Amino acid sequence: NAGVTQTPKFQVLKTGQSMTLQCAQDMNHNSMYWYRQDPGMGLRLIYYSASEGTTDKGEVPNGYNVSRLNKREFSLRLESAAPSQTSVYFCASRPPTGEVSPLHFGNGTRLTVT
Amino acid sequence: KNQVEQSPQSLIILEGKNCTLQCNYTVSPFSNLRWYKQDTGRGPVSLTIMTFSENTKSNGRYTATLDADTKQSSLHITASQLSDSASYICVVRSGTYKYIFGTGTRLKVLA
Repeated sequence: NAGVTQTPKFQVLKTGQSMTLQCAQDMNHNSMYWYRQDPGMGLRLIYYSASEGTTDKGEVPNGYNVSRLNKREFSLRLESAAPSQTSVYFCASRPPTGEVSPLHFGNGTRLTVT
Repeated sequence: KNQVEQSPQSLIILEGKNCTLQCNYTVSPFSNLRWYKQDTGRGPVSLTIMTFSENTKSNGRYTATLDADTKQSSLHITASQLSDSASYICVVRSGTYKYIFGTGTRLKVLA
């Protein structure tokens, strides 16, 4: 099992360009999450998907859109990238086994917007 | 405002020594508290979970404590190894899909 796989690992964009960050999990988890990690700050939730077919905004959704393509895949799209979106983006998933199940994270996409 | 604060921000210790990382939280409602280890360039990985009724839990050389009255948790690492060099993140779960992340403690273990 690969767990949570994110692509690409690194990306450099110019201001105004668009891109989609891909995330796939092979653990049959229901809920999936997109976080961003910035220096000196805790991970912040961008969007999450409680189950296939549903998505909800998190703490910092502005400038992003998401698609829960199927149970395995949850993508994050930047329509018009801005320097403030320079960050490390983590996708996570969680099994539906109650309160004690942990988040399982991918290894991140490091995005630089110039 | 829900907050998770960790101290120290960074720590350097010699291999074989012990250390304790602190986490204070003001989160409501409280579901559980989990410690994650994040190696450089990787995603966080769960070390241990503390629920409201638990005081102490060990996972190998890692021992977590929780004082629900004072809203404090600690992570004690015994006989540190070079591979313990990482960031340690305290995360409080509040509700079904809400997690409050601390900013982490960056630990460096020197030979």
